[in-house]
Amino acid sequence: LAKTTQPISMDSYEGQEVNITCSHNNIATNDYITWYQQFPSQGPRFIIQGYKTKVTNEVASLFIPADRKSSTLSLPRVSLSDTAVYYCLVGDPAAGNKLTFGGGTRVLVKP
Amino acid sequence: GAGVSQSPSNKVTEKGKDVELRCDPISGHTALYWYRQSLGQGLEFLIYFQGNSAPDKSGLPSDRFSAERTGGSVSTLTIQRTQQEDSAVYLCASSLEGYSEPQHFGDGTRLSIL
Repeated sequence: LAKTTQPISMDSYEGQEVNITCSHNNIATNDYITWYQQFPSQGPRFIIQGYKTKVTNEVASLFIPADRKSSTLSLPRVSLSDTAVYYCLVGDPAAGNKLTFGGGTRVLVKP
Repeated sequence: GAGVSQSPSNKVTEKGKDVELRCDPISGHTALYWYRQSLGQGLEFLIYFQGNSAPDKSGLPSDRFSAERTGGSVSTLTIQRTQQEDSAVYLCASSLEGYSEPQHFGDGTRLSIL
């Protein structure tokens, strides 16, 4: 399973855009990149998933460069309720999809 | 409630007792996973069920841990002779079968061993 590296924590302010970059240098051909959000006392919640280029949904955007060795989760115009831990995961769903969660990035949104 | 349901939400028990944790996956999801999350840590994979295939038990930390999935739906994680280091949040997730299908998590069972 590909190892991921992401910042331990980030601070931001309401209304700003938050970008979290995840490094996954040994990503394999069949691996997808998936991001989850976790609030205290809750299970992780799926945010977005991609394989290459850019993916956008109603919550976030995911940017993946051509070499796929990193990815950036972009949260537009964050609010206080976006304070959470964000996990970047890389894996091959067809291989059983056992996700290896690292420590995640703790994002604190300030007023 | 169309999400993954776990019960109990909290469980406190004495060291040496057995505990059973239950997971009701989303209807129609053929894949089911169990994870463990210690305080302030990421998730640790425990076991994975996919359809009628033999489960992947590679993440179970010891033979005190076991899990079953009856009828391809509800799953039970059992911890025998609990130890204090078993204290953690136990999370269950389910997903559809298919390439790139994301996992959907329940809110977990917080297990405290006294």
